[in-house]
Amino acid sequence: AQSVTQLDSQVPVFEEAPVELRCNYSSSVSVYLFWYVQYPNQGLQLLLKYLSGSTLVKGINGFEAEFNKSQTSFHLRKPSVHISDTAEYFCAVTPTSGTYKYIFGTGTRLKVLA
Amino acid sequence: EAGVAQSPRYKIIEKRQSVAFWCNPISGHATLYWYQQILGQGPKLLIQFQNNGVVDDSQLPKDRFSAERLKGVDSTLKIQPAKLEDSAVYLCASSSSGREGNTEAFFGQGTRLTVV
Repeated sequence: AQSVTQLDSQVPVFEEAPVELRCNYSSSVSVYLFWYVQYPNQGLQLLLKYLSGSTLVKGINGFEAEFNKSQTSFHLRKPSVHISDTAEYFCAVTPTSGTYKYIFGTGTRLKVLA
Repeated sequence: EAGVAQSPRYKIIEKRQSVAFWCNPISGHATLYWYQQILGQGPKLLIQFQNNGVVDDSQLPKDRFSAERLKGVDSTLKIQPAKLEDSAVYLCASSSSGREGNTEAFFGQGTRLTVV
């Protein structure tokens, strides 16, 4: 079975400051990793994903994430945030084999302050 | 490419009433998921279909929830009778499960259910 932990339920940050949203996972099998963003009253939109290869992956809207196998982490970063980045961010995993099953963390609410 | 379509967007019902949600996945996606997202929490998988067969329904409260995916395309999720704790956003997602290099799930906008 897989599980995902997002320790920070809320992260306030000033506009143009850098931000890191933390994600740790647990799995006995190989997994793919994802970050999704959810704006108010919307579904989930994919930000980026790690499948294999380079451990640093870049996504949309200037976000990037680094996969660390030894620490079982997949932290999301952005060097300079904008007001429009205010949203809920979810980390998710799925086993690499078989029918994909996406397991989500509890989410981190990013609030960008002016 | 059209996305995942869900209806209705919002629904308010009284407890003990029944309700149904509809989902049309992305064309060609064999796998369809229903998630429940309670306010302040992450999405929780209720049921997963592969074509028109159930792959996983271990977290579906089967005494009140049911789902079907006829002909392996559209799906309906039903709650009967509803309880106050069923108030949540119900998200439908679809995936091609690795075919054509696609690995992610694509989500609809969700149906926000309020049980009063």
